[in-house]
Amino acid sequence: ETGVTQSPTHLIKTRGQQVTLRCSSQSGHNTVSWYQQALGQGPQFIFQYYREEENGRGNFPPRFSGLQFPNYSSELNVNALELDDSALYLCASSLGLGGAAPLGYTFGSGTRLTVV
Amino acid sequence: QKEVEQNSGPLSVPEGAIASLNCTYSDRGSQSFFWYRQYSGKSPELIMFIYSNGDKEDGRFTAQLNKASQYVSLLIRDSQPSDSATYLCAVPDSNYQLIWGAGTKLIIKP
Repeated sequence: ETGVTQSPTHLIKTRGQQVTLRCSSQSGHNTVSWYQQALGQGPQFIFQYYREEENGRGNFPPRFSGLQFPNYSSELNVNALELDDSALYLCASSLGLGGAAPLGYTFGSGTRLTVV
Repeated sequence: QKEVEQNSGPLSVPEGAIASLNCTYSDRGSQSFFWYRQYSGKSPELIMFIYSNGDKEDGRFTAQLNKASQYVSLLIRDSQPSDSATYLCAVPDSNYQLIWGAGTKLIIKP
């Protein structure tokens, strides 16, 4: 299977709830990076997983957590949802790390989360 | 904190003209630079990568890098309506994580 699949595509949650977003990495890729993109803004780096271990984290509170599985798929969990968490959540898979890794990024189509 | 700045636009360009998009960055040590195109509601797609001073051409796209002045530009020649999108500049930080600008919205008018 090729490409990166994210699920669900759209989601509406109530403030204070918890949400889990999923990402299946492209075949052969072992790294998954998660980004949050608010409307009219560029993506913001949340965290990255490499071979099931967290490898870097952006400026996001601990209520944003993640996981990578042995098949390199990944989950993003957000607890105690706030209105400002409304955004497009993107995952990108790649092979390995390093400065050239973004050249091999494959982005999923994203999950649009709306918190009301 | 490392920053990547872009004019949010919108930048309106007539069809067939040259569109010029600019990006400045704060980290003088940055080595590589990425330009992505993002259509509304879609994920970003990589269109150009540049790491050395000067110009890099790929079809109708040219990336220009000036490390001394800390800016990178993207030129689109013979602009087409299908080029209408938001263009995002991204620069890896010291941990190779991408720092993104807010993007410039480009509108090509037929």
